[in-house]
Amino acid sequence: KQEVTQIPAALSVPEGENLVLNCSFTDSAIYNLQWFRQDPGKGLTSLLLIQSSQREQTSGRLNASLDKSSGRSTLYIAASQPGDSATYLCAVTQGAQKLVFGQGTRLTINP
Amino acid sequence: EPEVTQTPSHQVTQMGQEVILRCVPISNHLYFYWYRQILGQKVEFLVSFYNNEISEKSEIFDDQFSVERPDGSNFTLKIRSTKLEDSAMYFCASTSLPRGTGELFFGEGSRLTVL
Repeated sequence: KQEVTQIPAALSVPEGENLVLNCSFTDSAIYNLQWFRQDPGKGLTSLLLIQSSQREQTSGRLNASLDKSSGRSTLYIAASQPGDSATYLCAVTQGAQKLVFGQGTRLTINP
Repeated sequence: EPEVTQTPSHQVTQMGQEVILRCVPISNHLYFYWYRQILGQKVEFLVSFYNNEISEKSEIFDDQFSVERPDGSNFTLKIRSTKLEDSAMYFCASTSLPRGTGELFFGEGSRLTVL
């Protein structure tokens, strides 16, 4: 059974720092990996999608990498801003359809 | 930008009552999903739906739950005889590509509170 783990569970950094969020998964037979942002009480906003054949994807200040063989992904956020404060979720597509989510990293950027 | 919309945003119901949560997926999408998130826990897959039938469902999605696409735009989740443990945020999602290859777009969620 696929298990997705995110470390750390919470992270607090001063504004302007670069930071890395980690995601690991136990079964490397995935179609893709997706990073989401979730604000308190809100829905999930897709940030980046990495197909299983890809190594990384970039969008603005965000860069996500994928090492499928080792079951790891990282989300790099450059020059963090207070508006980046949110919970970041990673999820892998398992089998034909469903996403399996990690528990998230709660990120706080302090002005 | 196209988005998935869900109604209601919050529903409070008494235990044992039936609830219908509604979703309007992105218009050209063909694959639809329901997920739920109990407060403080992971987002969990409930069911996937394609071509007017269930493609896959989790062990959570028992006989208490059903899904339907009653017309060309709506996708509904019905929960019969709600229980306290059904209290959660329910998310609808859709994608245009099969077999998990595409980006999944989520709605804002419907918060269900069962008293």
